[in-house]
Amino acid sequence: NAGVTQTPKFQVLKTGQSMTLLCAQDMNHEYMYWYRQDPGMGLRLIHYSVGEGTTAKGEVPDGYNVSRLKKQNFLLGLESAAPSQTSVYFCASSRLPEGGELFFGEGSRLTVL
Amino acid sequence: GQNIDQPTEMTATEGAIVQINCTYQTSGFNGLFWYQQHAGEAPTFLSYNVLDGLEEKGRFSSFLSRSKGYSYLLLKELQMKDSASYLCVAMDSNYQLIWGAGTKLIIKP
Repeated sequence: NAGVTQTPKFQVLKTGQSMTLLCAQDMNHEYMYWYRQDPGMGLRLIHYSVGEGTTAKGEVPDGYNVSRLKKQNFLLGLESAAPSQTSVYFCASSRLPEGGELFFGEGSRLTVL
Repeated sequence: GQNIDQPTEMTATEGAIVQINCTYQTSGFNGLFWYQQHAGEAPTFLSYNVLDGLEEKGRFSSFLSRSKGYSYLLLKELQMKDSASYLCVAMDSNYQLIWGAGTKLIIKP
């Protein structure tokens, strides 16, 4: 019973490098989200998806791209990493937005030098 | 604008009771969540309130007053494992979640 799985768990990048974070969920949830968490701040929504083939911008989308080609997978890409993107990234999924609890992955800690 | 306010840090004693307060301002309202997050881990769901009143779930209870834009999380019989951050999250009329920065709860023996 995996739930939500994120890979990789840790990554160190140099400024300008690119990478992709993978999120996979096995609960058949329609809604998936990418958040970043920084010290002293609430979780901030980067992008989200309300179903396979759909994506939408959240609160802080600049510098990130996403894709949801399969219902169970939600990919977060950084095309040209910047030190400001150093953060902990969480993927989450939910069955419904209204009143539905979020199930989170373990998080991916990204450092950009 | 939309905003969540909750204390940054609280300290309590093992076996005691603690109340973590949260006030919110949102464009419309579709409910209030509480999540628990241990250091270095992901948030996990604790409770959801959409109607006024108290919801009890074991040692944890959550209260909501929609007219006051106020909620609290009550933790009874505190245990060391309750040391964590507690995140207050409000859902607006568009089902968007507004996250508080969290209250770090420190439990002392």
